[in-house]
Amino acid sequence: DVKVTQSSRYLVKRTGEKVFLECVQDMDHENMFWYRQDPGLGLRLIYFSYDVKMKEKGDIPEGYSVSREKKERFSLILESASTNQTSMYLCASSDTRAGGTDTQYFGPGTRLTVL
Amino acid sequence: AQSVTQPDIHITVSEGASLELRCNYSYGATPYLFWYVQSPGQGLQLLLKYFSGDTLVQGIKGFEAEFKRSQSSFNLRKPSVHWSDAAEYFCAVALTDSWGKFQFGAGTQVVVTP
Repeated sequence: DVKVTQSSRYLVKRTGEKVFLECVQDMDHENMFWYRQDPGLGLRLIYFSYDVKMKEKGDIPEGYSVSREKKERFSLILESASTNQTSMYLCASSDTRAGGTDTQYFGPGTRLTVL
Repeated sequence: AQSVTQPDIHITVSEGASLELRCNYSYGATPYLFWYVQSPGQGLQLLLKYFSGDTLVQGIKGFEAEFKRSQSSFNLRKPSVHWSDAAEYFCAVALTDSWGKFQFGAGTQVVVTP
């Protein structure tokens, strides 16, 4: 079974803090994604990565950055957390190489509260 | 532009009754379609997916979905709902020409009453 893990289930930070959310997948997937989920808005893509050190902006990248130094790990960074970044953050991975099925596998999520 | 629409934000169903969740998509290429379920406080779990072939696909937990190209729909069904099916359900289309990015619907919240 594919396993995607996220470093924290719940996180509380203060405005202005630098926040790191970590995601690790164990299936050698090429692609990794970071979403935020808010009531009534569904999942919105923040950033994704299709290879080590490669990244692309999603639909809502403002206020976020990412890092992918190793294939299995994809980090989301909030440079200076703000209250409007309070949300559920979901990481996912997928394999779209030849024979891959595009299925995204999700981690359990991190509930971030910024005070 | 690609889009996924789930017309029903909230559905209430009695335990034992049938359930149908609607999903319509707009996408130029042949779509890869998915349904995911999210229990409270959890990540998303894949219920089923459609790539090609038989337009009626079976998934986990007794769910099935039917792809109708003429209607651009991929509706999810379950003949008899259990209390544990109370959750949020998301339809998604994979943008196969864009590194496998997904376009998600806004979700349908399902409440199951005794």
